[in-house]
Amino acid sequence: GAVVSQHPSRVICKSGTSVKIECRSLDFQATTMFWYRQFPKKSLMLMATSNEGSKATYEQGVEKDKFLINHASLTLSTLTVTSAHPEDSSFYICSARDPGATVNGYTFGSGTRLTVV
Amino acid sequence: KQEVTQIPAALSVPEGENLVLNCSFTDSAIYNLQWFRQDPGKGLTSLLLIQSSQREQTSGRLNASLDKSSGRSTLYIAASQPGDSATYLCAVRRITGGGNKLTFGTGTQLKVEL
Repeated sequence: GAVVSQHPSRVICKSGTSVKIECRSLDFQATTMFWYRQFPKKSLMLMATSNEGSKATYEQGVEKDKFLINHASLTLSTLTVTSAHPEDSSFYICSARDPGATVNGYTFGSGTRLTVV
Repeated sequence: KQEVTQIPAALSVPEGENLVLNCSFTDSAIYNLQWFRQDPGKGLTSLLLIQSSQREQTSGRLNASLDKSSGRSTLYIAASQPGDSATYLCAVRRITGGGNKLTFGTGTQLKVEL
């Protein structure tokens, strides 16, 4: 089945630095990928839709200058948390849908635990 | 705005028990509904997907039902095992003008005890 790889799985950074998270579709091409954020014991909140070759679409309330998304190829999307602050600490998960799949489900990465100190 | 709610928020059962997790959504104009499992600190694993035209899907000990008109879905787990302990999330996919999006429920944290 479709596999989505997310890296790194865990990162600790200092306040004010930037962190890049990668999301790769390993065995399919994804023109669209999705980035979610999950707070402790809460559900997933969609942050933005990453579109290959064009600008990402951000959900209401998500700062696009804070969370930079780049989808330069059909298998890779990156989320960069710029000038990170402790309140950005969270679990970030990406997902993608294999357009060639007969069942239109979404596949998720394993997530990235970001801790800003 | 689509809202997805899951009840109960947490559940603890003895091994071997059959159980039902509930998911409700406010907007019945969905494309499909998907159940996921999430282990602590991990990503999501897809369990079952039900298209809007379907009533139920089965996989092993899992059975998911969908009543789109009433905005409800259930996930039935038969003969629960300690390995089933995880958080279960339901998500509905609704085709919007800006693309397909998933809206997630609040999750049910399941613990199956020996």
